[in-house]
Amino acid sequence: DAGVTQSPTHLIKTRGQHVTLRCSPISGHKSVSWYQQVLGQGPQFIFQYYEKEERGRGNFPDRFSARQFPNYSSELNVNALLLGDSALYLCATTGTSSSYEQYFGPGTRLTVT
Amino acid sequence: QKEVEQNSGPLSVPEGAIASLNCTYSDRGSQSFFWYRQYSGKSPELIMSIYSNGDKEDGRFTAQLNKASQYVSLLIRDSQPSDSATYLCAVMTARGSYIPTFGRGTSLIVHP
Repeated sequence: DAGVTQSPTHLIKTRGQHVTLRCSPISGHKSVSWYQQVLGQGPQFIFQYYEKEERGRGNFPDRFSARQFPNYSSELNVNALLLGDSALYLCATTGTSSSYEQYFGPGTRLTVT
Repeated sequence: QKEVEQNSGPLSVPEGAIASLNCTYSDRGSQSFFWYRQYSGKSPELIMSIYSNGDKEDGRFTAQLNKASQYVSLLIRDSQPSDSATYLCAVMTARGSYIPTFGRGTSLIVHP
C-alpha cells in the first residue's frame, strides 16, 4: 500500500503570496493532521481533520486554513506569506477514529523569500 | 515550562553501545507516548508507541514509561551508525485529544 503522499516536494514563494499544499492519506485512513517544523524544533500542530470535520486547531494565525475532501485528502492553505513561514510542512494520517498512531508523509519544504 | 522536554544533544555513542534517550512531560493526564526517528531532511518515522507503565521491546528498541515520574525513555541496543538521527518524543493527553505534542528532539550520533 502507498504511504502518505504530499505535493509539492519543494516550493519557493515570495512574501505576500499564497500557497496550497496537498496531502493524500494512506488508504483507509480518515484523519489528517498538519504540522509545521522549523529547523531544530519538533513538529508544531496546525490542524487536524477527521471525516471532513475539523477536530483541532493549533496556535497559528488565521492566514492558515485547511480542509478535507470526501476522499479524505486534504489541503493546507497559507495566505499573505511571511518569511517566518519558511519551514517543512508535514501531513500525518491516522487509521481509525480511536487510533493514536500517526504516520507522516515526506513533507513539503516551503521557502519564502 | 515546556510540555514535552528533551535534551537536544547531540548524544554521541560508539557503535555497539546502548543509546539512552529521555523525555519528560508536564501533563500528568497523558496516556499515549510515541517515539519517532527523523533523519536529516526527512520526515518523522514512527518507531515505538507505549501506553502502559513499564517496558515495551521491539527488536533493538525498548521504550520505558514511568507515569509517576512523568518520563518516557527509548533505549537502542547494539547501536549502529545508521541509527544516527534525531529522535522525537510525542505525548498525547487522555482528554479526548488525538493531537500529540512533540519535543524538540534529541540528536543521536553513533560513531564507528
